[in-house]
Amino acid sequence: DAKTTQPPSMDCAEGRAANLPCNHSTISGNEYVYWYRQIHSQGPQYIIHGLKNNETNEMASLIITEDRKSSTLILPHATLRDTAVYYCIVGEGGKLIFGQGTELSVKP
Amino acid sequence: SAVISQKPSRDICQRGTSLTIQCQVDSQVTMMFWYRQQPGQSLTLIATANQGSEATYESGFVIDKFPISRPNLTFSTLTVSNMSPEDSSIYLCSVETSLYEQYFGPGTRLTVT
Repeated sequence: DAKTTQPPSMDCAEGRAANLPCNHSTISGNEYVYWYRQIHSQGPQYIIHGLKNNETNEMASLIITEDRKSSTLILPHATLRDTAVYYCIVGEGGKLIFGQGTELSVKP
Repeated sequence: SAVISQKPSRDICQRGTSLTIQCQVDSQVTMMFWYRQQPGQSLTLIATANQGSEATYESGFVIDKFPISRPNLTFSTLTVSNMSPEDSSIYLCSVETSLYEQYFGPGTRLTVT
């Protein structure tokens, strides 16, 4: 079973920041937090990962709480092309166990 | 990064038949994975396929139903055997290029009638 809990859906206005929360209260010390997204009719796409520290890349920022029991993915300026299902996954690499994810709708 | 192709992209098959799905990657990778995505659902891992060893299947999936081959570091096949309508899904392969990133193929959309 997936080790994460995410809201099933969220809306965001185009150009605004999208903040997607994830709870992973049973995460172990060696497990990373990964974020992937799946745009309709495509395979999932890697976004970002982190262990303890906050991370940023060209796509997004990942904020992990100090106790590592939750995290937030931030898309700083959401566009219509960011409409997708976003999956938060915890693991040590290798196989990915997907939960139900959050369906993000970016609206004009 | 890695570029992955899958064949066929989609197929419609009759119950009781088998379909072999091919996954080709443009670079050598050790770990490949096969997933199933049923209509409206999330992805479920079927098995891990490492070159030179038998595939490792997840709970609920068996080799007789989903035999996998991994003849080299750039190619793998998944066969869906003795199909029933419940096997109608999108089947995706993925490769791990580092501990942190997996790249997914576009998927094979299978409909069983």
